[in-house]
Amino acid sequence: NAGVMQNPRHLVRRRGQEARLRCSPMKGHSHVYWYRQLPEEGLKFMVYLQKENIIDESGMPKERFSAEFPKEGPSILRIQQVVRGDSAAYFCASSPDRIHASNTEAFFGQGTRLTVV
Amino acid sequence: LAKTTQPISMDSYEGQEVNITCSHNNIATNDYITWYQQFPSQGPRFIIQGYKTKVTNEVASLFIPADRKSSTLSLPRVSLSDTAVYYCLVQGLGTDKLIFGTGTRLQVFP
Repeated sequence: NAGVMQNPRHLVRRRGQEARLRCSPMKGHSHVYWYRQLPEEGLKFMVYLQKENIIDESGMPKERFSAEFPKEGPSILRIQQVVRGDSAAYFCASSPDRIHASNTEAFFGQGTRLTVV
Repeated sequence: LAKTTQPISMDSYEGQEVNITCSHNNIATNDYITWYQQFPSQGPRFIIQGYKTKVTNEVASLFIPADRKSSTLSLPRVSLSDTAVYYCLVQGLGTDKLIFGTGTRLQVFP
């Protein structure tokens, strides 16, 4: 059972371009979470999705950012018109059940490092 | 949501036992305490989870006193490869996501 797969691992975009980050959850996991981590900082929650539904997007900027988790295929975090401040590591995690269920572990991918030049 | 407080950094030497304490004064009855480890340039990795008393696995031990307002992650005989950031989280019925604090940056020296 492969772990959470994120691609690309590294992404360089010029200011104003679009960035698309992909996350394939572990097999059997229908819950996906996206986090952003700036250098030397902790992980900040962005969005929680369950197949085809956005459950909680309280941590996602209102503009330029969107996320989806279609019935088929990976979850996508999309950043339009990127700016230098979007440079960060973006991590995806998946779980088989809702996190609040007891003993539910979240599995993280290796992350995508976005650099905006 | 229960807020957690833990030391920003700790230093240790190889072979020593390291104890990282986390405070979570507002923990709710149904909340679990979970610790994650993050190596540089990698995603966090689950280490251990507990509700009360003591939990031990092949990696670490977790001590939780009766009032559950704090917890201590114990790493026996650390090695250089244990250098990482350790996050204490509280998860339970009131949360649908993991909330990470700043974590404790553990540096192990030879």
